[in-house]
Amino acid sequence: AQSVTQLDSQVPVFEEAPVELRCNYSSSVSVYLFWYVQYPNQGLQLLLKYLSGSTLVKGINGFEAEFNKSQTSFHLRKPSVHISDTAEYFCAVSALMIKAAGNKLTFGGGTRVLVKP
Amino acid sequence: DTEVTQTPKHLVMGMTNKKSLKCEQHMGHRAMYWYKQKAKKPPELMFVYSYEKLSINESVPSRFSPECPNSSLLNLHLHALQPEDSALYLCASSPRLGQGDYGYTFGSGTRLTVV
Repeated sequence: AQSVTQLDSQVPVFEEAPVELRCNYSSSVSVYLFWYVQYPNQGLQLLLKYLSGSTLVKGINGFEAEFNKSQTSFHLRKPSVHISDTAEYFCAVSALMIKAAGNKLTFGGGTRVLVKP
Repeated sequence: DTEVTQTPKHLVMGMTNKKSLKCEQHMGHRAMYWYKQKAKKPPELMFVYSYEKLSINESVPSRFSPECPNSSLLNLHLHALQPEDSALYLCASSPRLGQGDYGYTFGSGTRLTVV
């Protein structure tokens, strides 16, 4: 089974400042890694994903994440945030669902980013 | 079309009512999912459909009954719900089950309130 830990439940940050959201995972098998964003009263939108290859992944809206296998981490960063980045951010892993030969998406607890003017 | 559309967006129902949530996608995805999300919590998987057949039921109470009438539609029938079932219900789809590298496309959800 796999699990995901987002180390910060809430991150306040000033507009135009950088932000880093931390994500650690554990799994006994290879995983795919994702970051999703959820704006208030909306569904989840995929920000970026790591499948293989380069450990630095660039996503939408200026976000990027770095996969570190030795530390089992997949931290999300943005060099300069905007008010519109205020949202909930979920790290997720996808690994094999043994019972259905499928892939189960497991989410971390979420990090609420509050961008202040 | 790269969207998953969920209707209704909001639903208030009594504990004796019967209602249905609807989800539609036209991306040709053959795996569809229902998730339940409580306030300030991550989404939790409820059901998985693959090629219109129920593949996974995550021990969900029988008062929730999923249905996949065709490759584009996914319904969730609700009956005799409890107030603790109030949550945001999210539908998602992916090209195929077993291809986790795609991630999922999520709808905007139905916010359900049981009174």
